[in-house]
Amino acid sequence: NAGVTQTPKFRVLKTGQSMTLLCAQDMNHEYMYWYRQDPGMGLRLIHYSVGEGTTAKGEVPDGYNVSRLKKQNFLLGLESAAPSQTSVYFCASSWELAGGNQETQYFGPGTRLLVL
Amino acid sequence: ILNVEQSPQSLHVQEGDSTNFTCSFPSSNFYALHWYRWETAKSPEALFVMTLNGDEKKKGRISATLNTKEGYSYLYIKGSQPEDSATYLCALQGGATNKLIFGTGTLLAVQP
Repeated sequence: NAGVTQTPKFRVLKTGQSMTLLCAQDMNHEYMYWYRQDPGMGLRLIHYSVGEGTTAKGEVPDGYNVSRLKKQNFLLGLESAAPSQTSVYFCASSWELAGGNQETQYFGPGTRLLVL
Repeated sequence: ILNVEQSPQSLHVQEGDSTNFTCSFPSSNFYALHWYRWETAKSPEALFVMTLNGDEKKKGRISATLNTKEGYSYLYIKGSQPEDSATYLCALQGGATNKLIFGTGTLLAVQP
């Protein structure tokens, strides 16, 4: 199993350009998440999904859109990139919670994005 | 907004030293506490998920304790080795959605 994979690994954008980051998982996880990691700050949740066809806002959703058309994929879109979106983006997935369980999140390797 | 704090920010120890660090969180919004280990250039990997007050979990030389009433968790590493060098993250799960609020981590460097 590949686990959680992310493409691309690194990208440079100009301000105003758009792009889509792809996250794929082969563990049949129900839940998927997008985080950003910035210096001096913890991982911050951008958007998440609790199942195919569903998405919800996290802590820092502005400037991003997501889609979960297939259970194994979770796409993060930047419609008009800004320098403030320069960051490292991590995708994660987990089993769904059932009956008060807590489930570990499995992380991808990250995508480093630089917006000039 | 829930705030998760970790201390110290960074720690340098010698090989063989035992060490510990702290994760503090608001006790009023507790569902579970997660610990992750994050090596440079890799992805965060789960160490423990803890839910009950007084919980203690152990994996090899690493162990963790939880106090939900006062809102803290300790991570202990016994006999640190260079391969333990990593950032240790804790994350608060504040509800049943599995959304995590991460601390900024403790960066541990173990010198041979």
